[in-house]
Amino acid sequence: AAGVIQSPRHLIKEKRETATLKCYPIPRHDTVYWYQQGPGQDPQFLISFYEKMQSDKGSIPDRFSAQQFSDYHSELNMSSLELGDSALYFCASRPGTGPNYEQYFGPGTRLTVT
Amino acid sequence: AQTVTQSQPEMSVQEAETVTLSCTYDTSENNYYLFWYKQPPSRQMILVIRQEAYKQQNATENRFSVNFQKAAKSFSLKISDSQLGDTAMYFCAFMTPPYETSGSRLTFGEGTQLTVNP
Repeated sequence: AAGVIQSPRHLIKEKRETATLKCYPIPRHDTVYWYQQGPGQDPQFLISFYEKMQSDKGSIPDRFSAQQFSDYHSELNMSSLELGDSALYFCASRPGTGPNYEQYFGPGTRLTVT
Repeated sequence: AQTVTQSQPEMSVQEAETVTLSCTYDTSENNYYLFWYKQPPSRQMILVIRQEAYKQQNATENRFSVNFQKAAKSFSLKISDSQLGDTAMYFCAFMTPPYETSGSRLTFGEGTQLTVNP
């Protein structure tokens, strides 16, 4: 079965640089979530999209922006990177309807800021 | 806002034995979902089990079962016949349905690192 695809899997950037993380949801999933997991921490919700519109916003810095495109893939854009942005970034997707509302997670993108 | 608390940062169990991981949560919502996710060293987030708050029956998935106490806002995970492959970080998570005002984001607990010893 198809899973959530995230690219790149690993990314190394320097402070003040920009980064773009991409997420390709499972086919026919129209809702996408982004989570940030710092070292030794639990995942924290950043932002979500439903049918290409932002549906919910969490603790996402103003330096970050995201969008969902017509093919339902999503991109997380991160500017003026800081050392504290080093983390594992997960994308998750789920279908818009259904009884379970289960979120399916991608493998994550590990971002290292030096 | 919802909060999820896991009071056991680390636990260990012998292979083939049973272990229970604790989770409590706080919410004013009546309709919600609870999950246990497993994160092995690969860091992949894997759904272990799901419980709908409106269901009184505790969920079971093979060796994994939950004890859901809605009034006490408690959601523990029992792993029977523990296997070496169960070694992982376990996260308890809370979610309201997308039609609720609080949205469908997952709120995670701090996690419990479970080690299964041979």
